[in-house]
Amino acid sequence: AQKITQTQPGMFVQEKEAVTLDCTYDTSDQSYGLFWYKQPSSGEMIFLIYQGSYDEQNATEGRYSLNFQKARKSANLVISASQLGDSAMYFCAMREGYAGNMLTFGGGTRLMVKP
Amino acid sequence: GAVVSQHPSWVICKSGTSVKIECRSLDFQATTMFWYRQFPKKSLMLMATSNEGSKATYEQGVEKDKFLINHASLTLSTLTVTSAHPEDSSFYICSAILAGDRGDQPQHFGDGTRLSIL
Repeated sequence: AQKITQTQPGMFVQEKEAVTLDCTYDTSDQSYGLFWYKQPSSGEMIFLIYQGSYDEQNATEGRYSLNFQKARKSANLVISASQLGDSAMYFCAMREGYAGNMLTFGGGTRLMVKP
Repeated sequence: GAVVSQHPSWVICKSGTSVKIECRSLDFQATTMFWYRQFPKKSLMLMATSNEGSKATYEQGVEKDKFLINHASLTLSTLTVTSAHPEDSSFYICSAILAGDRGDQPQHFGDGTRLSIL
């Protein structure tokens, strides 16, 4: 079974509007971390936001927020006020257990912001 | 802070050549580094986990003799693609975890290496 599922291969959003990128995960660990990364066409991986499994508050970083619904095992990324520079691939990833564990990545969502 | 430098960023070489890719943590010590491979329009696939001073742990299906990993210091890991062939052409990207990471810190990625074997 897929550990990280991103069901939207591609998304369009109008500039200045908000967009939600979906991510569901599967783990039996009680301790885990969820990460979102942005990958522009140039290839680098840019860390956006982190949510720990024990965090009670949803994580926020500037225009990025994470809608964490633990019971549903979902960790959707919300980008507010989309900008043209937000056009990129977005990957959800999970780290299970404690330090040193690898990241498991979802298949990614390509976001395209329309002017 | 937490900058990872990956070099070279782009390589084109002939079939049969061995290619070395370096991954350096510039401003922090990284006890663990990871090597990923990414095909066009696909996600990152973990190839191996590299721990300083010990042998790398390879994921299932990754040929150890083809993809040699060395993590000789706390700031440098290298991936050598030996006797590369066109099917090895891909985007390779490394990442590093800060020493002492408790599991809540992101992996810091290099900018990747585009490898093309003719």
